[in-house]
Amino acid sequence: SQELEQSPQSLIVQEGKNLTINCTSSKTLYGLYWYKQKYGEGLIFLMMLQKGGEEKSHEKITAKLDEKKQQSSLHITASQPSHAGIYLCGADESAGNMLTFGGGTRLMVKP
Amino acid sequence: NAGVTQTPKFRILKIGQSMTLQCTQDMNHNYMYWYRQDPGMGLKLIYYSVGAGITDKGEVPNGYNVSRSTTEDFPLRLELAAPSQTSVYFCASSWTVSGNTIYFGEGSWLTVV
Repeated sequence: SQELEQSPQSLIVQEGKNLTINCTSSKTLYGLYWYKQKYGEGLIFLMMLQKGGEEKSHEKITAKLDEKKQQSSLHITASQPSHAGIYLCGADESAGNMLTFGGGTRLMVKP
Repeated sequence: NAGVTQTPKFRILKIGQSMTLQCTQDMNHNYMYWYRQDPGMGLKLIYYSVGAGITDKGEVPNGYNVSRSTTEDFPLRLELAAPSQTSVYFCASSWTVSGNTIYFGEGSWLTVV
């Protein structure tokens, strides 16, 4: 079965700094999804990537999927305390498959 | 819209007790899911349902049971609670199985002592 590994597991950054979170799959992905989980709350969908080399941005968050569709990165520019939370990647191997999730990255942003 | 609502938010159970986590959604989604989240382990699928009357096992179904008598409700039953079931449980629903259509509840923190 597909496995997703996220790195780092946790991250503490100073407000205003850039950061990158990685998600690596053991198999080629069909779709890669990024979610954010605020502490004590459910997951909120951020972005979906499907094509090799695809890149999407929303406000200060950019997600990329590599050409081989086995690795994705989530980059936050000029981090703010509102970016704090747990970021999870999810993926499916093919259309109609259930999602597999990575272990999550805990992000803290120090004011 | 309330979205996905799960109760209770917190619960402490003694070993061997049973309980039911309730989940309801008001978006008329066909797909519903139960996940558990252990620290650093991401989400593991316990059970899912593709429609009323249909349920199927996920990755970690042992020790749990579900039912789907209506489109809205998808309760998760824990029989004979064990410390290994201490976790955060998330209910979710979606239009399709694609990850960009899935909505999550806020989670239920369960401790078994």
